[in-house]
Amino acid sequence: EIVLTQSPGTLSLSPGDRATLPCRASQRITNNYLAWYQQKPGQAPRLLIYDASSRASGIPDRFSGSGSGTDFTLTISRLEPEDFAVYYCQHYVNTPWTFGQGTKVEVK
Amino acid sequence: EVQLVESGGGLVQPGGSLRLSCAASGFTFTSYWMHWVRQVPGKGPVWVARMNSDGSSILYVDSVKGRFTISRDNAKSTLYLQMNSLRAEDTALYYCVRRDAGGGYYDLWGRGTLVTVSS
Repeated sequence: EIVLTQSPGTLSLSPGDRATLPCRASQRITNNYLAWYQQKPGQAPRLLIYDASSRASGIPDRFSGSGSGTDFTLTISRLEPEDFAVYYCQHYVNTPWTFGQGTKVEVK
Repeated sequence: EVQLVESGGGLVQPGGSLRLSCAASGFTFTSYWMHWVRQVPGKGPVWVARMNSDGSSILYVDSVKGRFTISRDNAKSTLYLQMNSLRAEDTALYYCVRRDAGGGYYDLWGRGTLVTVSS
């Protein structure tokens, strides 16, 4: 089973700041089969990034994904008020598909 | 509108059963592999089960094998999860999720249905 580690668990930032969220895998993620999701309180997760760096439909270009192998990053270039939420990475290399424990981006 | 709507959650005693349903609309259900994913509040989501588009291929996470059964009725555009021998650790919000047609990521989520296993 591939374990995804997201650390820190919480990032305290201000609107307009740049957010850098890491995700580290216990094994190599082949074909960059890694996605990022945003979840707000009381809502289901929403797909932001797939294949490590491709933005999903309708996602603003301030969101970007990068990385390969075992180290991946979600970057939010300038935080908007609506971006304060929890972010999860997920791999889809093989079963079981697993998620990280999430990084909460909170207002400083 | 493209959506997934889950139902069937509730409070059940340990050892009991529940059947979750997920009604799909706004897209061609038969073209998509469908999954169930669960989430305990404050924790990361956990993949539970998946079924391919025609129902011929099924996979489960180890912790539910032999207890949960995923199925689908393509004529009704509905996905199901039969949950038997429920345990306290099955308590979670259960999401019906659509796998993107071109990849393994999840491009559409329902709002979830809450399952609570407690005496």
